[in-house]
Amino acid sequence: GEQVEQLPSILRVQEGSSASINCTYENSASNYFPWYKQEPGENPKLIIDIRSNMERKQTQGLIVLLDKKAKRFSLHITDTQPGDSAMYFCAAGSNYQLIWGSGTKLIIKP
Amino acid sequence: DPKIIQKPKYLVAVTGSEKILICEQYLGHNAMYWYRQSAKKPLEFMFSYSYQKLMDNQTASSRFQPQSSKKNHLDLQITALKPDDSATYFCASSQDNWVEQYFGPGTRLTVL
Repeated sequence: GEQVEQLPSILRVQEGSSASINCTYENSASNYFPWYKQEPGENPKLIIDIRSNMERKQTQGLIVLLDKKAKRFSLHITDTQPGDSAMYFCAAGSNYQLIWGSGTKLIIKP
Repeated sequence: DPKIIQKPKYLVAVTGSEKILICEQYLGHNAMYWYRQSAKKPLEFMFSYSYQKLMDNQTASSRFQPQSSKKNHLDLQITALKPDDSATYFCASSQDNWVEQYFGPGTRLTVL
């Protein structure tokens, strides 16, 4: 079936630096790309999303880039803080379904 | 004030038994979903419903049956439980189709 590849699976960055997570998708009909943050013991929470009519979206220290030709999208977290430590999931959506990446564990080092 | 309610929060069952996981959303959304999360599969889509109609089923086993008695309810019945069914089951909802899904707090199921 369709897959979304998410890399890296684990990301360690120094507090205050930037973190980047990349996802690639297979279905060229995908038109919606959300990012979710999940803290231990909690549910996934939508933090930012982008639709296929945009190439870039930014909100509160988060930047999402979408390259439809390459079927690639990415999340960039600027000025990381300890509270950014969590699992992050990307997904690609079309036809009543989101295809999910396998997640990235982000660890912010003090 | 929780907008998506899942009951129970924790559930322990014996192999072979049957359980129903409850989900209610008070966001006025038209679409609802079930997901499963375990150590083996980080986040696995199971079902999607729109206006109480099944839109997509990615669950291979017929032991998993969603039940929608009202637009804002989507329960999940699991029969003949197996230890491999142990996971956290998340219900989610969205206003339309598959975009902007919001997750409930989850039900953690353990099958002994």
